Amino acid sequence: AQSVTQLDSQVPVFEEAPVELRCNYSSSVSVYLFWYVQYPNQGLQLLLKYLSGSTLVKGINGFEAEFNKSQTSFHLRKPSVHISDTAEYFCAVILWNSGNTPLVFGKGTRLSVIA
Amino acid sequence: NAGVTQTPKFRILKIGQSMTLQCTQDMNHNYMYWYRQDPGMGLKLIYYSVGAGITDKGEVPNGYNVSRSTTEDFPLRLELAAPSQTSVYFCASSDKRGGRDTQYFGPGTRLTVL
Repeated sequence: AQSVTQLDSQVPVFEEAPVELRCNYSSSVSVYLFWYVQYPNQGLQLLLKYLSGSTLVKGINGFEAEFNKSQTSFHLRKPSVHISDTAEYFCAVILWNSGNTPLVFGKGTRLSVIA
Repeated sequence: NAGVTQTPKFRILKIGQSMTLQCTQDMNHNYMYWYRQDPGMGLKLIYYSVGAGITDKGEVPNGYNVSRSTTEDFPLRLELAAPSQTSVYFCASSDKRGGRDTQYFGPGTRLTVL
């Protein structure tokens, strides 16, 4: 079965600094990969996803992620963060031929942007 | 479209009480999910459904029941509430064509069992 590891549970960063949130997955077959964001007291919303094609995926709010098949990673990056980016970020994976199997989520990384 | 709606937003239960968390989606999605979220633990799948009349257990189904009589609705039932069920519950739906599975989440129900 596939699994997702988010290596950092909390990441503090100063406003306008760059940030990288790390995500590694385990799977021996092709996967679809997702990043979701959860703002305080809200549900999750999709930030970006990798299905196929270019390994650099751009999402909303200036975020991007790079799929690295050899490293089995899908790290999320933003060159300059804002206070409004403070949120919890979840990486998720699903096998491309999974049938009815649902997404598998990581445990989340809490990003705190400091003024 | 309202997307995924959940009621109630908050609820306090006493141990042993029962309740139903309501979830409705208006996107005609076949797939629906119930998750619970506890601090530092991420999301854990309770139950999911691939269509009306079909449900399946997720990672943590004990203490919960679901039904799916229509495409739109996917209620979650707690029969005998326990303190361990104190959590935030999220309902989600997806259009899984091609396995692409972008999930749309409701705003959540915060449940406290005392």
